[in-house]
Amino acid sequence: EVQLVESGGGLVQPGGSLRLSCAASGFIYSSYAVGWVRQAPGKGLEWVSGISGSGGSTYYADSVKGRFTISRDNSKNTLYLQMNSLRAEDTAVYYCAKYCSSPSCYFDYWGQGTLVTVSS
Amino acid sequence: DIQMTQSPSSLSASVGDRVTITCRASQVISNWLAWYQQKPEKAPKSLIYAASSLRGGVPSRFNGSGSGTDFTLTISSLQPEDFATYYCQQYESYPLTFGGGTKVEIK
Repeated sequence: EVQLVESGGGLVQPGGSLRLSCAASGFIYSSYAVGWVRQAPGKGLEWVSGISGSGGSTYYADSVKGRFTISRDNSKNTLYLQMNSLRAEDTAVYYCAKYCSSPSCYFDYWGQGTLVTVSS
Repeated sequence: DIQMTQSPSSLSASVGDRVTITCRASQVISNWLAWYQQKPEKAPKSLIYAASSLRGGVPSRFNGSGSGTDFTLTISSLQPEDFATYYCQQYESYPLTFGGGTKVEIK
């Protein structure tokens, strides 16, 4: 059974940093791209970032480019999102999601999400 | 960027009704379209990929169709567990983009 479990969310001040983690199990982790999708309170889904199975290719939404960094540790089956220079508009539930194969695919499994609140 | 426009943004329907949700892409995306269902306070769940392929375990009352720029999600006979918000998403090119969502409520 595929499982994706996010952690690391919380309250942070504007301009601050936070690192999210996503522990994966139930599939051959290094063979699949994974990524992050967020949802602001009461709003729709917004893709944030993705990374290939090897970690050699990364993708970012313009809204986070230069501030967020996605990475993965295939030895630990874990995905990360380092978030710097956080803004109020980054407040959202952040979902970890598995691509069906490569980064040019849909999301077939999602984690339960972790809430990030950026506020003073 | 490819814009995805869903309509309606919300609808009210009764159990047993046939429900149709449309999704339009701002440029041709072939059949690189997925549909997701999200219930309150829950993570999205994948329903359909490649515009019309049903994910394993998804009831056959869900049907996806379309190609190019215009797509449709149809629920043939709405069940109580289908009341949720539905999102389309294109994966033809980056950045990946979602429609604004369609909330299906109980009439």
